Amino acid sequence: DGGITQSPKYLFRKEGQNVTLSCEQNLNHDAMYWYRQDPGQGLRLIYYSQIVNDFQKGDIAEGYSVSREKKESFPLTVTSAQKNPTAFYLCASSPTSGGYSNQPQHFGDGTRLSIL
Amino acid sequence: KNEVEQSPQNLTAQEGEFITINCSYSVGISALHWLQQHPGGGIVSLFMLSSGKKKHGRLIATINIQEKHSSLHITASHPRDSAVYICAVRYFGNEKLTFGTGTRLTIIP
Repeated sequence: DGGITQSPKYLFRKEGQNVTLSCEQNLNHDAMYWYRQDPGQGLRLIYYSQIVNDFQKGDIAEGYSVSREKKESFPLTVTSAQKNPTAFYLCASSPTSGGYSNQPQHFGDGTRLSIL
Repeated sequence: KNEVEQSPQNLTAQEGEFITINCSYSVGISALHWLQQHPGGGIVSLFMLSSGKKKHGRLIATINIQEKHSSLHITASHPRDSAVYICAVRYFGNEKLTFGTGTRLTIIP
């Protein structure tokens, strides 16, 4: 079955450490996205990529970095510069055709990051 | 500021009841999405619509472009429908989606 796999489901980080969240898709989608979800708030876009080797900052990119070396993979690194990293992180993908957001996005099951 | 407002924030109903969840937005959009988030956190896309009405099983989504309003209806609700329902829109001139904060639905057997 095609889908998006995020790993790990739960992740703990010590202060001052970088940590990388994995996102893999086998849907052959061009576009991939990272969102952050906090209690009582809507999903907020961190980074997105519409094609391999290219990505753009979303609304809350500070303290995060990404790479898109392969179509299937879009890992997110939460750096020590991110002052409040505790949150639920969701990865999504979609095909691109005339504007990416007009295609339904497929979501992973998320990674919950906590600071020790 | 472009915002998406959902109501109610929380909704509890008995099994079998007809459910309505509302979504309002502020300016013109090119598309509106309804998403379902289960307790484990995974999200499923239910509908994407830009006009009219769509139906899938017991779920119906409608949108009124003039009133800038969309509704998600669930007929013959069931406990397995318990989830958070999220509305998201793409405003004209903005590539990104703007998300509502969600409606938490609980269906009691």
